[in-house]
Amino acid sequence: NAGVMQNPRHLVRRRGQEARLRCSPMKGHSHVYWYRQLPEEGLKFMVYLQKENIIDESGMPKERFSAEFPKEGPSILRIQQVVRGDSAAYFCASSPLAGGSQETQYFGPGTRLLVL
Amino acid sequence: KQEVTQIPAALSVPEGENLVLNCSFTDSAIYNLQWFRQDPGKGLTSLLLIQSSQREQTSGRLNASLDKSSGRSTLYIAASQPGDSATYLCAVPGAGSYQLTFGKGTKLSVIP
Repeated sequence: NAGVMQNPRHLVRRRGQEARLRCSPMKGHSHVYWYRQLPEEGLKFMVYLQKENIIDESGMPKERFSAEFPKEGPSILRIQQVVRGDSAAYFCASSPLAGGSQETQYFGPGTRLLVL
Repeated sequence: KQEVTQIPAALSVPEGENLVLNCSFTDSAIYNLQWFRQDPGKGLTSLLLIQSSQREQTSGRLNASLDKSSGRSTLYIAASQPGDSATYLCAVPGAGSYQLTFGKGTKLSVIP
């Protein structure tokens, strides 16, 4: 049973380009969470999705960032017109049920985004 | 707004020592508390999850305690080994219960 998979593991973009980060949850998991870890900072919640639905995007910047989790395929975190401040590690997590009192979230290895 | 603080930020110990990592949180109305391990360039591995009704959890050489009323948790590592070197993160569910709020971590180095 493969764990949470993220790709690419490392991504380099120039300012103004688009970044697409992919996350495949663990088999049987229908809940996906994205977190961002800025240098020297703790992980910060960005968005929570279930299949085809965004449940909570309160931690995601209103502009340039979007997320989706289609019926088929991985979850995608998309960053348009990247800026240097977007350089960070982006982690995806999944759970079989809604995370909370009983469920742990299983984390992927992360995508390290570097904006030049 | 929930805030999680971890002390110390970094810790270096000789192999074989027992050690304690500390985590404090500002809002005691939590469902649970988790300790994770993060290795450089890698993801997070869940070590222990303590439910709010529990006071401690044990897994091998690891023991985590939880004192909700004082907003504190400790992670005790017995007989430390070089392979324990990593960053240890403490996290609690925040608003909506699924948003994990993380501390900045304690970077542990175990010297052979």
